[in-house]
Amino acid sequence: GAVVSQHPSWVICKSGTSVKIECRSLDFQATTMFWYRQFPKQSLMLMATSNEGSKATYEQGVEKDKFLINHASLTLSTLTVTSAHPEDSSFYICSARELSGGLNQPQHFGDGTRLSIL
Amino acid sequence: KQEVTQIPAALSVPEGENLVLNCSFTDSAIYNLQWFRQDPGKGLTSLLLIQSSQREQTSGRLNASLDKSSGRSTLYIAASQPGDSATYLCAPSDTGRRALTFGSGTRLQVQP
Repeated sequence: GAVVSQHPSWVICKSGTSVKIECRSLDFQATTMFWYRQFPKQSLMLMATSNEGSKATYEQGVEKDKFLINHASLTLSTLTVTSAHPEDSSFYICSARELSGGLNQPQHFGDGTRLSIL
Repeated sequence: KQEVTQIPAALSVPEGENLVLNCSFTDSAIYNLQWFRQDPGKGLTSLLLIQSSQREQTSGRLNASLDKSSGRSTLYIAASQPGDSATYLCAPSDTGRRALTFGSGTRLQVQP
């Protein structure tokens, strides 16, 4: 089945550090990837839609200058949390939808990245 | 803006019981709907996808139904097992970008 790999799975770093998270579709191509955030005991909230070869679309309230998204190829999207602060500590998870096979393909999720800012 | 509600928020049952998890959504203009399970501290595993034109979808002990016009979906789990213990998430997809809106989930505990 379709696999989405997310790296790293766990990050602990000091306040002010920038952190890059990678999301790769291993055996399929994806023109669109999605980035979600999940705070403890809450559900997933969409942060942004990552589009291959163009600018990402951010949800209301998500700072595009803080959460930089790059989707340089059909199999890779990156999320960079710039100058991270403790309030950015959360579980970040990406998803991708297969390009082939029609528009009703399920979204496949990575295993997530737990970010802890000290 | 789509809003998704899942009931119950938590459920604890003895092994072997049949279960029904409920999901309701406010905007019926959806493209499809997916059910996921999430284990603590882990990512999401896709269970079932129902297209907007479908009424139900089955996979093993799982059956999901969709009533798009009334904004409801249910996940039926037959003969529950301890390994089914997880949080179950319902997520309709919008008709534009196909982004998912998640409910808060139902935390299921199946007692051996």
